Amino acid sequence: NAGVTQTPKFRVLKTGQSMTLLCAQDMNHEYMYWYRQDPGMGLRLIHYSVGEGTTAKGEVPDGYNVSRLKKQNFLLGLESAAPSQTSVYFCASSTGGTSGRWNIQYFGAGTRLSVL
Amino acid sequence: DQQVKQNSPSLSVQEGRISILNCDYTNSMFDYFLWYKKYPAEGPTFLISISSIKDKNEDGRFTVFLNKSAKHLSLHIVPSQPGDSAVYFCAASADSNYQLIWGAGTKLIIKP
Repeated sequence: NAGVTQTPKFRVLKTGQSMTLLCAQDMNHEYMYWYRQDPGMGLRLIHYSVGEGTTAKGEVPDGYNVSRLKKQNFLLGLESAAPSQTSVYFCASSTGGTSGRWNIQYFGAGTRLSVL
Repeated sequence: DQQVKQNSPSLSVQEGRISILNCDYTNSMFDYFLWYKKYPAEGPTFLISISSIKDKNEDGRFTVFLNKSAKHLSLHIVPSQPGDSAVYFCAASADSNYQLIWGAGTKLIIKP
């Protein structure tokens, strides 16, 4: 029972480099999310997807792109990494629906990214 | 503008006693509230939730109370155990919006 799996777990980048974070879920969830967590702050939504082939911007989308080509995968890309993108990134998924009770989100273990 | 606030960054409680974690919100459209628990190097895990049509929800040692007029909710853990030491996040959502708005978290330390 893998749930939500994120790869890689750790990564160090130099400013200007690019990378892709992969999120995979095996719960057949419609909705998927990418968050970042910074010290002293709650989780902030970067981008999300309400189904295969769809993506939408969250609270802090600048500098990131996403793709959801398959229902089970949600990719987060950094085209030109900046030190301000040093953070812990979490992927989550949920069954979906517009009512809160359907929006219990299940999280991966996180990716710790440092941009030097 | 923080819509969900957890004003205590940390809380220390003796093992066996009650732990009370607090959360305040500003958006009156929020109608569903969730508590998550997070251990170091792991993702948050869902703990308990409450709908705005209720004022209390219980699950074993965990109880969440909602005071809509005060826009305040609290999580009670009784009795507190060493394994409860973690960061607890409060989150809220409004119907017709599947996004969760998160508080900054409270680090709970259970002392033996």
